[in-house]
Amino acid sequence: DTAVSQTPKYLVTQMGNDKSIKCEQNLGHDTMYWYKQDSKKFLKIMFSYNNKELIINETVPNRFSPKSPDKAHLNLHINSLELGDSAVYFCASSQDADRGQFFGPGTRLTVL
Amino acid sequence: KNEVEQSPQNLTAQEGEFITINCSYSVGISALHWLQQHPGGGIVSLFMLSSGKKKHGRLIATINIQEKHSSLHITASHPRDSAVYICAVPDYGGSQGNLIFGKGTKLSVKP
Repeated sequence: DTAVSQTPKYLVTQMGNDKSIKCEQNLGHDTMYWYKQDSKKFLKIMFSYNNKELIINETVPNRFSPKSPDKAHLNLHINSLELGDSAVYFCASSQDADRGQFFGPGTRLTVL
Repeated sequence: KNEVEQSPQNLTAQEGEFITINCSYSVGISALHWLQQHPGGGIVSLFMLSSGKKKHGRLIATINIQEKHSSLHITASHPRDSAVYICAVPDYGGSQGNLIFGKGTKLSVKP
């Protein structure tokens, strides 16, 4: 069974649209994360979220918002998509900071 | 805020060679991650370590907390080791919080 899954794997959309990427983990972890990997392959944290706290990287535009319907899911909503949003987005989860993170397979978003 | 430097940026090796990838950071931490990103894009967490050395198969990771430095070694390298290797540390030190990532080392192992 996949530990951390993301859907869709590929997402192609037009500028100005609103889209969501779903993430689910079946590990029982308390904390989930969203990362953005840009065209230069640099990974950057966007959000981390557990039951108590959402930590937002201050460089993330407020068009991006994480939504957690339950502990096993952290979905990423993006409003008014822009060309610069094109990237690969990775979801990850961890039980706590001492045990490492498990990554999802990534979602390649292309904004036309 | 922590800064992470990895070296080398690119590395080409012949099959069987011993590989070393280095990572240094600026703010004291108590946990460092090594990740592997496959050519297909998937990311796997290889190690998380806070002191000394960890070994998993042909992979060995070491960390020197005082010197703010970690190394990832691959013994008897194989073409299937070809990937990007990334180190990551907590952004404000310690062991908690978000990770920031090095720029990665692209390893290519030739048969």
